Amino acid sequence: AQSVTQLGSHVSVSEGALVLLRCNYSSSVPPYLFWYVQYPNQGLQLLLKYTTGATLVKGINGFEAEFKKSETSFHLTKPSAHMSDAAEYFCAVREKASIIQGAQKLVFGQGTRLTINP
Amino acid sequence: NAGVTQTPKFQVLKTGQSMTLQCAQDMNHEYMSWYRQDPGMGLRLIHYSVGAGITDQGEVPNGYNVSRSTTEDFPLRLLSAAPSQTSVYFCASRRMGLAGKGSYEQYFGPGTRLTVT
Repeated sequence: AQSVTQLGSHVSVSEGALVLLRCNYSSSVPPYLFWYVQYPNQGLQLLLKYTTGATLVKGINGFEAEFKKSETSFHLTKPSAHMSDAAEYFCAVREKASIIQGAQKLVFGQGTRLTINP
Repeated sequence: NAGVTQTPKFQVLKTGQSMTLQCAQDMNHEYMSWYRQDPGMGLRLIHYSVGAGITDQGEVPNGYNVSRSTTEDFPLRLLSAAPSQTSVYFCASRRMGLAGKGSYEQYFGPGTRLTVT
């Protein structure tokens, strides 16, 4: 079974500083990887995803992530943090759910809460 | 489109009570799922469905039942609530892909915050 590990349950950066949220995965097959963001009291929203092709993936709100197969990593970055980036971020990997065709599920990491200091 | 809607937003139950969390989507998505979110544990899959009449268990199915009689609705039933079921519950939906082909975005509802005393 696939698994996802997010290093650091809490990350705090200053406004304007680099944001780096770490995600490592284990997968026995080429992975499909995702980053979701959850703002307070809201559901999850897709930031970006990697399926195949270019390993540097750009998402919404200036975020990007790079798939590194050799390191089994999919770290999320943003060059300059904004106060509105304060949220919880989840990394996820797609896994086959059952023998039912097309049945796949997301396996989530435990989440990283990002705080932005003014 | 309203997307994925969930009701109620908040609920307090006593141990042993039963209730149904409602989930509906208007995007004609075949795949729907229920997750629970607990601090430090991310989201864990409870049950999922790949179409009307077809459901399967996720990683934490005990104490929950589901059924899927229509494409739009996917209710989650708690048969006899326990304090361990205190959590935030999210419903999600997406298009189905052919096996191994593509990976469609999952759309999440706003969540139901459940407290069992």
